[in-house]
Amino acid sequence: RKEVEQDPGPFNVPEGATVAFNCTYSNSASQSFFWYRQDCRKEPKLLMSVYSSGNEDGRFTAQLNRASQYISLLIRDSKLSDSATYLCVVRGSNYKLTFGKGTLLTVNP
Amino acid sequence: EPEVTQTPSHQVTQMGQEVILRCVPISNHLYFYWYRQILGQKVEFLVSFYNNEISEKSEIFDDQFSVERPDGSNFTLKIRSTKLEDSAMYFCASRAGTGGYTGELFFGEGSRLTVL
Repeated sequence: RKEVEQDPGPFNVPEGATVAFNCTYSNSASQSFFWYRQDCRKEPKLLMSVYSSGNEDGRFTAQLNRASQYISLLIRDSKLSDSATYLCVVRGSNYKLTFGKGTLLTVNP
Repeated sequence: EPEVTQTPSHQVTQMGQEVILRCVPISNHLYFYWYRQILGQKVEFLVSFYNNEISEKSEIFDDQFSVERPDGSNFTLKIRSTKLEDSAMYFCASRAGTGGYTGELFFGEGSRLTVL
């Protein structure tokens, strides 16, 4: 089983759509969870941390279910600028990050 | 805003040659990392470095790889004898320290290595 597994995508959505990304992780001892975005040939950039209680940042909502080892990201009212690859990232006790392969999102006008 | 800087942005080298990738982490950060991303694949951890020594390394980080912080500001990754499969984007990252949200990693823009 892959350490961090994401929807393979790609996702193509029109502007204004709601899009959801799913992710599962295999190491139950993982301590922290994140969504990063990565633009083509650029570095990963932190989008948001993910907390067990769920958290929201504007149009972005992240959820974590530790029991099922599942993480999600919801983007509402998607914009052209949201087009990127979304990376599910898990951190262990040693602060090492384990990345999923990412899901490519293209928002179309 | 402070940032992690990497040089070169792109390096082309012949198989078997030595390559040094350079990074300047954010100035007050204590923990340093190298990650790599082969084209079309996921970002993979290579090595972490703290207090002038390697704290953890992955299976990828074999004897051909080494890291150094020679002067208190630069953090370098050396590949002694490059192989075709070393072609990738190499990202340097740093973080301030433990505790609270200060665990965030800040990534540089990456150095693209092409081995011919």
